[in-house]
Amino acid sequence: EPEVTQTPSHQVTQMGQEVILRCVPISNHLYFYWYRQILGQKVEFLVSFYNNEISEKSEIFDDQFSVERPDGSNFTLKIRSTKLEDSAMYFCASRRGGSNTEAFFGQGTRLTVV
Amino acid sequence: AQSVTQLGSHVSVSEGALVLLRCNYSSSVPPYLFWYVQYPNQGLQLLLKYTTGATLVKGINGFEAEFKKSETSFHLTKPSAHMSDAAEYFCAVSDSGNFNKFYFGSGTKLNVKP
Repeated sequence: EPEVTQTPSHQVTQMGQEVILRCVPISNHLYFYWYRQILGQKVEFLVSFYNNEISEKSEIFDDQFSVERPDGSNFTLKIRSTKLEDSAMYFCASRRGGSNTEAFFGQGTRLTVV
Repeated sequence: AQSVTQLGSHVSVSEGALVLLRCNYSSSVPPYLFWYVQYPNQGLQLLLKYTTGATLVKGINGFEAEFKKSETSFHLTKPSAHMSDAAEYFCAVSDSGNFNKFYFGSGTKLNVKP
């Protein structure tokens, strides 16, 4: 069964460093998303991406964040100059599109900023 | 704006007992409603969804949920809990016209006692 895969499963980084979280969405999907979940809090929407551009982003998704689909298969989230409060579980999701409403989520990357 | 409230961050039931996980939403437009389940170290898996039509929807693993507009609720039930149902359950809402963003509840961890 097709699935969304995320790497790494756990990333530890020093405050101020840049990190790239990687996702491979399901191959025939057109819509891609990043969500995050700070420990003990809700899963929050960060950004949606369609047709090689951001279609919607939340207030959380400021200039520190960027997304890219560099090669037609990977979908990456870059966080520049990480802060302690960026520590969270980051989920990638993809959706086929059209009337299909189901989003498929990856297993998440746990980012720990120290 | 949409929001989701899940009553009870932890629910414990005995094996064979009824499972009831509560979800209330607020939405300014007709909502689409979802329940996702997360097993340890795995991604979010769709259990069931309501978009239009029949308000009682059946999902995988014997779960079902009923959309009650008057109560703005979408509670998840299963008649008889199984040990394998132990997981975290997330209720989510999206705009009926915009599948680009899900609003998640804070999650309910279900414990099943033998």
